[in-house]
Amino acid sequence: DTGVSQDPRHKITKRGQNVTFRCDPISEHNRLYWYRQTLGQGPEFLTYFQNEAQLEKSRLLSDRFSAERPKGSFSTLEIQRTEQGDSAMYLCASSSRGEKLFFGSGTQLSVL
Amino acid sequence: KQEVTQIPAALSVPEGENLVLNCSFTDSAIYNLQWFRQDPGKGLTSLLLIQSSQREQTSGRLNASLDKSSGRSTLYIAASQPGDSATYLCASPSGTYKYIFGTGTRLKVLA
Repeated sequence: DTGVSQDPRHKITKRGQNVTFRCDPISEHNRLYWYRQTLGQGPEFLTYFQNEAQLEKSRLLSDRFSAERPKGSFSTLEIQRTEQGDSAMYLCASSSRGEKLFFGSGTQLSVL
Repeated sequence: KQEVTQIPAALSVPEGENLVLNCSFTDSAIYNLQWFRQDPGKGLTSLLLIQSSQREQTSGRLNASLDKSSGRSTLYIAASQPGDSATYLCASPSGTYKYIFGTGTRLKVLA
């Protein structure tokens, strides 16, 4: 069990650029979550995958955000035409049904 | 729609004190509740998970209780240490899949 891995740890980009983050969950976990967290706040739900199926997506997620989990393994989160308001920590978590959530270390995004 | 509230928002205690962190949720139809610890700039570390059929869970100096009927959970930390300083978050399920988090309690244990 190597834990949940996220890449990159930090990303600085200019407004209007596209960015993509990767998450590698714990191998036996079929559930994968993306959350976003800003300073002083709790994590905010973005989207959920069960295997390769995206079963829930937050209404807060604009059409500039897209996530995939091909073959039910790793997942990617892409943000197109980034805005300064997208600056946040993006967290990935995985779990098995009814079990604890295991989080990665997150990707800190700064949009200049 | 599930809403999760944590009180207090911040807490500072001397080393050795026992303390209680509170978590309230609005929808009591939950199947579990989880407590996490977060250090600055890091991801979340799972501390305890309480299933809906359980009333409490213990791990070392930590004890978490769950009262679904009142929509409350508490995290009890015994004999606090400076290394316990962190933000503690609770998360409650909302619907079938997602978890809703509180804003956390920032704990500082003074040596």
